[in-house]
Amino acid sequence: QQQVKQSPQSLIVQKGGIPIINCAYENTAFDYFPWYQQFPGKGPALLIAIRPDVSEKKEGRFTISFNKSAKQFSLHIMDSQPGDSATYFCAASGYNQGGKLIFGQGTELSVKP
Amino acid sequence: DAGVTQSPTHLIKTRGQQVTLRCSPISGHKSVSWYQQVLGQGPQFIFQYYEKEERGRGNFPDRFSARQFPNYSSELNVNALLLGDSALYLCASSLDRRLLYNEQFFGPGTRLTVL
Repeated sequence: QQQVKQSPQSLIVQKGGIPIINCAYENTAFDYFPWYQQFPGKGPALLIAIRPDVSEKKEGRFTISFNKSAKQFSLHIMDSQPGDSATYFCAASGYNQGGKLIFGQGTELSVKP
Repeated sequence: DAGVTQSPTHLIKTRGQQVTLRCSPISGHKSVSWYQQVLGQGPQFIFQYYEKEERGRGNFPDRFSARQFPNYSSELNVNALLLGDSALYLCASSLDRRLLYNEQFFGPGTRLTVL
C-alpha cells in the first residue's frame, strides 16, 4: 500500500513533443503528489505538486493531471526541449506520513534535437 | 539565499567502517529529512527530524542513526558499513512539519562508495 508505481522506465521524444509520465498509488491516505526532476550528479529538484482537491495544475510547460478515483496522476511536458532531458520522479505523501515522501522508480527522459 | 548544503560531496569507505554525513537546511527551515538513493532507483526515506527530535523513520537497520542540532543542521551516521550501503545520500529541508503540506527541497547529496 506504500508503493508508487511509475511508468515508463524510459522515454525518448523529439524536440517539441509532449512526453507523458504516469504514476499510480494505492494508499488513499496520500494527499500530496509532487514531481521532481533530477540531472546526473545532482539532487532532485521540485518541479510541481498537486493536491487531490484539483484535477489539473499547470506551471509553465509542466502540467499535472490527477484522477482521484483511479488513484493515478501524470506529468505532461509541453513543447519539450533537449534541456528537459533528465530523470523524473513522482512521489506521494500524506499529513500522517511523518514527513516521508514515497518515490516512484523514475523515468529517464531523452529529448532529441 | 543558499539552498540545502551537504558535505562531503564524495566519500570512499571500506566495509565495517563508520561514516558521518552532514547537512545544512535552507535558512528558516526547521525540518530535515534523509533519503538513500541507490543507482537507478528513487530515493528511499530514512529519517525526518524536527526541532531536534526524530519524527519519522523508514525501514532501515539500527546501523543508521541521525541527529539534529539547535541550528537545525543535521548529521547522518552509518555504522558497520556494508557494500549495499553504497548510494547517494540526500538531505531535504522543509519549512515546518506542522504545515498541512510540506514541500521538501533536496541538497546535491553525498556519494558514498563502500569497497
